Parts: sequence; C-alpha cells; structure tokens
Amino acid sequence: KAGVTQTPRYLIKTRGQQVTLSCSPISGHRSVSWYQQTPGQGLQFLFEYFSETQRNKGNFPGRFSGRQFSNSRSEMNVSTLELGDSALYLCASSSGLAAYTDTQYFGPGTRLTVL
Amino acid sequence: GQQVMQIPQYQHVQEGEDFTTYCNSSTTLSNIQWYKQRPGGHPVFLIQLVKSGEVKKQKRLTFQFGEAKKNSSLHITATQTTDVGTYFCAGSRTALIFGKGTTLSVSS
Repeated sequence: KAGVTQTPRYLIKTRGQQVTLSCSPISGHRSVSWYQQTPGQGLQFLFEYFSETQRNKGNFPGRFSGRQFSNSRSEMNVSTLELGDSALYLCASSSGLAAYTDTQYFGPGTRLTVL
Repeated sequence: GQQVMQIPQYQHVQEGEDFTTYCNSSTTLSNIQWYKQRPGGHPVFLIQLVKSGEVKKQKRLTFQFGEAKKNSSLHITATQTTDVGTYFCAGSRTALIFGKGTTLSVSS
C-alpha cells in the first residue's frame, strides 16, 4: 500500500497570510489526524476527522481549521498566520475503528515557515 | 487535562551501552503506543501496549506498561548507531496524547 502523502512538503509564507495543507491517507483508512511539531512543544494534536466529520479537537485557536472529503483526503487551513505557526505539520491516518487507540501512520509532513 | 511526561529529554550513549526512556501519565491510560522519529523523518509506530504489567520485546527493544497503567518504559540493549532518533510515547484515554520525546544520540 502507498503511504500517507502530504503536499506541499515545504512552504514559506508571511505573517497575515493563510495557508492550506493537504493530506492523502493510506487507502482504506477513514481517519485523518493533524499534528503540529515544534522543538519546544513536541507533537501537539490539532484535530481528527473521521468519515468527513471532526471527531476530536485539540487546544488550538480557531485560526486552525480542517475538513475531510468523501475520499478521506483531508485539508488543513491556517488563517492569519503568525510567526509562532512555523512548524512541521504532520498528518496521520488510521483505520478510525477505534478512536484514540488506533495506530497512527504518519506522512512526511509539511514544513511551514512564517516570515 | 491529561498529560504525558517523558524523561529524559536527551540521552547520549556510547555504542553498545543500554538506554532507557520513561513515560508517565497523570491519569490511567487505556493503552500506550511508542513511536520512533529518525532525524529529518516522521514518527513511525513501534508498538502498542494494552494490558496492565505487559512486557513486549522487539529484538533489542523491551517495552513495559506499568501495573497501574500510568507509566511505561522503553529499554534498548546494546545500542547501535541505527537507534539514533527521538522516541515518543503516546497515551490514550480520552485522546491520544504524545509525550515530548527522548532524543537519543549514539557515538561509535
């Protein structure tokens, strides 16, 4: 099976702009989770989508949003970018059959730099 | 809220030495998962522990889940340079929460 793919791999934006990241899960997986990884905070959970519905949400401001399509592909959007949003954004797919306990299969990530 | 703490944050060893990282939760966990992230890579699933007191081995890696299901450890015997990376535990109860990881460096 093909793994999780994320596009783009690298992105440079300026403060105030918005950005959309894309994630294609492993075929057959219905759950997609998004994480923000920074050196200081580690891996922080943003949200999880299952069957096009947000099933769980982390503690991030409303500037961070996401959606999932009928083919399980997911997008994450960050509006009004701040310098602190610079991070590696990781997408992880899982079967979704067992919320919170499924094995997470991570994509390579999108490295976002905000100038 | 639910928190998962990992220690140490960094560990440097000589090749051939043993290495252990510890994971502690403020609440009882349903299960615990361990992941490894190589430098420049993404987290890769290693193992999942579910039962109280469970011990699992993968070659030189030994994983333990505490009796109270609040702590876990990963022990690597006779480290090799290929073990370099950051090891994360992730505990779940009402959400899957990752610890901040232990970064292992190995010198030959």
